[in-house]
Amino acid sequence: TQLLEQSPQFLSIQEGENLTVYCNSSSVFSSLQWYRQEPGEGPVLLVTVVTGGEVKKLKRLTFQFGDARKDSSLHITAAQPGDTGLYLCAGAPGAQKLVFGQGTRLTINP
Amino acid sequence: DAGITQSPRHKVTETGTPVTLRCHQTENHRYMYWYRQDPGHGLRLIHYSYGVKDTDKGEVSDGYSVSRSKTEDFLLTLESATSSQTSVYFCAISEFPLAGVEQYFGPGTRLTVT
Repeated sequence: TQLLEQSPQFLSIQEGENLTVYCNSSSVFSSLQWYRQEPGEGPVLLVTVVTGGEVKKLKRLTFQFGDARKDSSLHITAAQPGDTGLYLCAGAPGAQKLVFGQGTRLTINP
Repeated sequence: DAGITQSPRHKVTETGTPVTLRCHQTENHRYMYWYRQDPGHGLRLIHYSYGVKDTDKGEVSDGYSVSRSKTEDFLLTLESATSSQTSVYFCAISEFPLAGVEQYFGPGTRLTVT
């Protein structure tokens, strides 16, 4: 079974600080997605990265796929309370299915 | 937002009773998935479907069965519910292969087995 390990599992910081969440595996993935989930709702796709070394930006969020396509990171600049939520990485080992990390619960305090 | 609904949204049932959860989509996507979400485990795949009457197991399929008789509906059945099946269940859809494996999720069903 291919596993994705996210770190940290919990993160609580002050508004305006920067943070990075990591998603690591010993396996290669054909693509990797990041989702954000709010309480009582389903996960919502933020981004998909496909190419090793790829960097994508979504406003203050920067996503990077590792060169070997085994890991990814999510960096948030100047965090805001609206960034609070559960962040999930998910990798596609091949076709059809996704493998999810256990999630990072992020709290941004005003 | 993708048109995905789940019913019921909340259910409390007793150990040993059968339970069926429904996922309905209006997007005509080929792939449909059932996950369960538990603290510290992220999302774990139970079963998925790649077409009408075509289904396959995920990593935590024991105690669950599925059926898909129409493109738009994917049913998850717990034949005899156990307390370990208390969880939040999510349905997802994917327009594979046109959009890769990006998945779009329903709002979830919170199931409590007492």
